[in-house]
Amino acid sequence: AQSVTQPDIHITVSEGASLELRCNYSYGATPYLFWYVQSPGQGLQLLLKYFSGDTLVQGIKGFEAEFKRSQSSFNLRKPSVHWSDAAEYFCAVGAPSNTGKLIFGQGTTLQVKP
Amino acid sequence: GAVVSQHPSRVICKSGTSVKIECRSLDFQATTMFWYRQFPKQSLMLMATSNEGSKATYEQGVEKDKFLINHASLTLSTLTVTSAHPEDSSFYICSASAGTGNRKDGYTFGSGTRLTVV
Repeated sequence: AQSVTQPDIHITVSEGASLELRCNYSYGATPYLFWYVQSPGQGLQLLLKYFSGDTLVQGIKGFEAEFKRSQSSFNLRKPSVHWSDAAEYFCAVGAPSNTGKLIFGQGTTLQVKP
Repeated sequence: GAVVSQHPSRVICKSGTSVKIECRSLDFQATTMFWYRQFPKQSLMLMATSNEGSKATYEQGVEKDKFLINHASLTLSTLTVTSAHPEDSSFYICSASAGTGNRKDGYTFGSGTRLTVV
């Protein structure tokens, strides 16, 4: 069965510091991979996505993610965090063979210290 | 870009009443929409897949008679929580895919509805 694991429930970083949010997935083949961000009480905004090709994906707001097949990982990174990046981040997988539904990880809450 | 509007953003209802939540694709047609439920501090759990002109497909464990889904047009799907109880209190979010429904587009999410049943 497909699953997504985000090992870090809560991460705190200082403003200006680099960030890496971890995501591991379980799937028999290469799934479609997504990172979403959610501000409190809001819907989800797509940061970036991966389907095939270049394993380093650039997204919005200065985020990037790297797909590593050998590690079944799709970690999200940002070189310098801004206070406005404080939010909940979700990794999600979608199987190419199904109707397009997404399976989400548990989420990682990012807190940014001034 | 693709926009999904969800209404209402917040609703409080009495136990035993029904509540309808609307999900609209504003600038594109969506043959498929998805309804998720999110408990506080938890992830999103898919409840059902809404297909225009046909019956919704519910995930295992979701009561189809309690969570009625109607997708009568290419731009509107509704979720009705019938005979709501306090345990139905949650954050409900819909999503839809822009354009041809190609899942590679990544799905656009509504802003969510906070339902509180008292």
